[in-house]
Amino acid sequence: SQQGEEDPQALSIQEGENATMNCSYKTSINNLQWYRQNSGRGLVHLILIRSNEREKHSGRLRVTLDTSKKSSSLLITASRAADTASYFCATDANSGYSTLTFGKGTMLLVSP
Amino acid sequence: NAGVTQTPKFQVLKTGQSMTLQCAQDMNHEYMSWYRQDPGMGLRLIHYSVGAGITDQGEVPNGYNVSRSTTEDFPLRLLSAAPSQTSVYFCASSYEAGMRTEQYFGPGTRLTVT
Repeated sequence: SQQGEEDPQALSIQEGENATMNCSYKTSINNLQWYRQNSGRGLVHLILIRSNEREKHSGRLRVTLDTSKKSSSLLITASRAADTASYFCATDANSGYSTLTFGKGTMLLVSP
Repeated sequence: NAGVTQTPKFQVLKTGQSMTLQCAQDMNHEYMSWYRQDPGMGLRLIHYSVGAGITDQGEVPNGYNVSRSTTEDFPLRLLSAAPSQTSVYFCASSYEAGMRTEQYFGPGTRLTVT
């Protein structure tokens, strides 16, 4: 079963706007990761946030983690057309470190 | 570094045929894994390896075999291809035998089984 579930499934915005994607998960985690996938390509790692962290930044990306609500959000500020991609959250199970479970992703379309 | 490489990029098989999808990494990563990606399903873990000689099953292992004789290579074998195995296959690796670090993904193999 899917551990992480992204919301919304699809998001369409204009260049310059902010994009927010959410991820909810079911069981306790050690880490949560966000990945980007451009059409027809492999996934690219964006950010890893640990369970004892609440917020992390990387350039125009901001990730928050609320372990009490079992949720995370990815904010992309000042979106560009090049940000058009699918975004996935991935979680590990608290009982071990061996595997990641991916959600179904949010498809982001940024129009010029 | 070439990172994670996968061959072939595209493959068409007939039902019942077998084949091996190749995956190699040149980053000396301990952990390697295989995922399949189907429309609307996200990525699902097929098999993974925490080091040479050690493999384990993921969420959807049926119909697939793996082995890990070297740190660099992690081939995925389809024993008898079925149309349900039509998918895009991704190989990934990470530095630690676990999810404490980022995973590096290959470009994928698009497989069609007719």
